[in-house]
Amino acid sequence: QKEVEQDPGPLSVPEGAIVSLNCTYSNSAFQYFMWYRQYSRKGPELLMYTYSSGNKEDGRFTAQVDKSSKYISLFIRDSQPSDSATYLCAMSAGSSNTGKLIFGQGTTLQVKP
Amino acid sequence: DSGVTQTPKHLITATGQRVTLRCSPRSGDLSVYWYQQSLDQGLQFLIQYYNGEERAKGNILERFSAQQFPDLHSELNLSSLELGDSALYFCASSVITDTQYFGPGTRLTVL
Repeated sequence: QKEVEQDPGPLSVPEGAIVSLNCTYSNSAFQYFMWYRQYSRKGPELLMYTYSSGNKEDGRFTAQVDKSSKYISLFIRDSQPSDSATYLCAMSAGSSNTGKLIFGQGTTLQVKP
Repeated sequence: DSGVTQTPKHLITATGQRVTLRCSPRSGDLSVYWYQQSLDQGLQFLIQYYNGEERAKGNILERFSAQQFPDLHSELNLSSLELGDSALYFCASSVITDTQYFGPGTRLTVL
C-alpha cells in the first residue's frame, strides 16, 4: 500500500463547477500538506501549503486537512479551462533534518468551456 | 517562474552512457532536492542536500549520485544508463526544509 493515495481520474467538469480533489494517507507523522498543479511536461507549481489540521483559503482555492481521518482535500471554485492540469498532493513529516515530500499519483482535471 | 533553473531541458542518450543534470536553486535557498517522475511511479524523492551536505536519501539507485557545490548549485549524475531511467528529473529548492519550489525539469530519454 502506498503512503499517499490519490485517484488519478481523469476528472472532467464544466466551466464554473466546483471541483473537489482528495488524498488519503497512512503515515500519522505527516504534518505539512501541499497541493501542486502541474501542466503537461512542466514543473509542479505550488498552490497551497497547510500545516496540521484545518482550512486554508486562497482566492478560488481552499485546502482542508483532517488529520484524524488522514484525509486532505482541495476545492476549486468557479473552475476555469485554464485550471485543466494534473493536481498533486504532497506531504512531509517536517523533520528538522529533511523536508522530503511524498507525492500522490496526481489527479488529471479537465475543465470544459 | 519559480526561480529554480535546470539544464539541459532535454537529453537524449544511449544505454550505458553517463549524463549530468544541473540545478540552480532560488536565491537564498540552502536546500536542494532531486525528484524523478515517471509514468508508472509518479514523483519520487531521490536525494536532498542542505548547504553542501547530504541530508536525506530516498529511492536513489547506486548508479546515481549527486552533489551540491559551494555556490549551492547541484548536479545529479546518472551512469550506466538503462532504458528504465528515461523520465523527467526535477530539482526543487527551499530555504531549509520548508516550502519547496520546483524547476522546469530535465527530460531524459535513453535509447
